[in-house]
Amino acid sequence: EPEVTQTPSHQVTQMGQEVILRCVPISNHLYFYWYRQILGQKVEFLVSFYNNEISEKSEIFDDQFSVERPDGSNFTLKIRSTKLEDSAMYFCASGTETYEQYFGPGTRLTVT
Amino acid sequence: GIQVEQSPPDLILQEGANSTLRCNFSDSVNNLQWFHQNPWGQLINLFYIPSGTKQNGRLSATTVATERYSLLYISSSQTTDSGVYFCAVEPGDSNYQLIWGAGTKLIIKP
Repeated sequence: EPEVTQTPSHQVTQMGQEVILRCVPISNHLYFYWYRQILGQKVEFLVSFYNNEISEKSEIFDDQFSVERPDGSNFTLKIRSTKLEDSAMYFCASGTETYEQYFGPGTRLTVT
Repeated sequence: GIQVEQSPPDLILQEGANSTLRCNFSDSVNNLQWFHQNPWGQLINLFYIPSGTKQNGRLSATTVATERYSLLYISSSQTTDSGVYFCAVEPGDSNYQLIWGAGTKLIIKP
């Protein structure tokens, strides 16, 4: 069964550094999403992406965040200058017109 | 915006017991999904169920969209069922995001 994959599984970075989180969505999906979950809290929506542009973004998704689909398979989330409060689990998801979203295993980002 | 409330927040059961988890939402939805977050933090997709009833082994779910709630049933619980169960909905006026409940933390004791 096809699945969403994410790399790396765990990333440790220093405050102020740039990080890129990578996702490979399911191949025939057209909608792509990023969510995050701070430890012990609920999952929060960051951004959705369709037809090579951002469809919707939350207040969390400020200027330090960006997304890109650099080729036909990858979907990336970049955090330009990480802060301690960016430490969280980041989930990528993909979906079709039926609204169902399929989630990857997540990347645990630790900012020190 | 839409509110998603899950109950109970915590549930401790003995192995073999049955349980019912509830998700209430405050407005119409395009999508409702149930997830299990395992101890490693991974989100496991259980059901895509904007309406109706579905069953998968010992798990089943029912969504009554007109009354704005969904139920997740777990029968004959096993220790591997432990974890946090999340309900997430896509509001009717949005095609692009899931709004999540706070989860039900389930502990199954051997």
